[in-house]
Amino acid sequence: AQSVTQLDSQVPVFEEAPVELRCNYSSSVSVYLFWYVQYPNQGLQLLLKYLSGSTLVKGINGFEAEFNKSQTSFHLRKPSVHISDTAEYFCAVSDFSSNTGKLIFGQGTTLQVKP
Amino acid sequence: GAGVSQSPSNKVTEKGKDVELRCDPISGHTALYWYRQRLGQGLEFLIYFQGNSAPDKSGLPSDRFSAERTGESVSTLTIQRTQQEDSAVYLCASSSNPGGLPYNEQFFGPGTRLTVL
Repeated sequence: AQSVTQLDSQVPVFEEAPVELRCNYSSSVSVYLFWYVQYPNQGLQLLLKYLSGSTLVKGINGFEAEFNKSQTSFHLRKPSVHISDTAEYFCAVSDFSSNTGKLIFGQGTTLQVKP
Repeated sequence: GAGVSQSPSNKVTEKGKDVELRCDPISGHTALYWYRQRLGQGLEFLIYFQGNSAPDKSGLPSDRFSAERTGESVSTLTIQRTQQEDSAVYLCASSSNPGGLPYNEQFFGPGTRLTVL
């Protein structure tokens, strides 16, 4: 079984500052890793995903994440945030050998960007 | 094109009543998922459809929960004899994923917020 832990429930940050949202996972099998974002009053949308290859993955809106297998982490970063980045961010995994594609999610981190 | 839609957006019901939640996936998407998000918790997987079949129902919390999909399109999640612990946001997602591959993007609807009084 897999589990995902997002270490911070809320992250307040000032506009143009860098941000890191932390995600750790636990799994006895290989997994694929995802970050989804939910803007206010909208559905979740995919921000980025790690399947294989380079451990640094770039996504939309200037976000990137780094897969660290030894630390079982997949932290999300952005060097300079905007007000419009205010949203809830979800880290998720899927089992490498899954034949359903179901996702296991963390609890979510609310990013609050202040002017 | 149109995204995933869900109805109603909000539903308030009394304990013991039955409720039906509807999901309209993106046209042509063969895979459909239901998830639940209770307050302060992450999304929990409920059920996966491939076409009209549900090969994975492992996340349904009790036999009060059921779901069906027809015409490889619309899906309905039914909760019978609702309890207060059923209060949550119910999210539907679809994917162009005929093989249930673990890395295909899922497209989410806005959710139905269910409140059981």
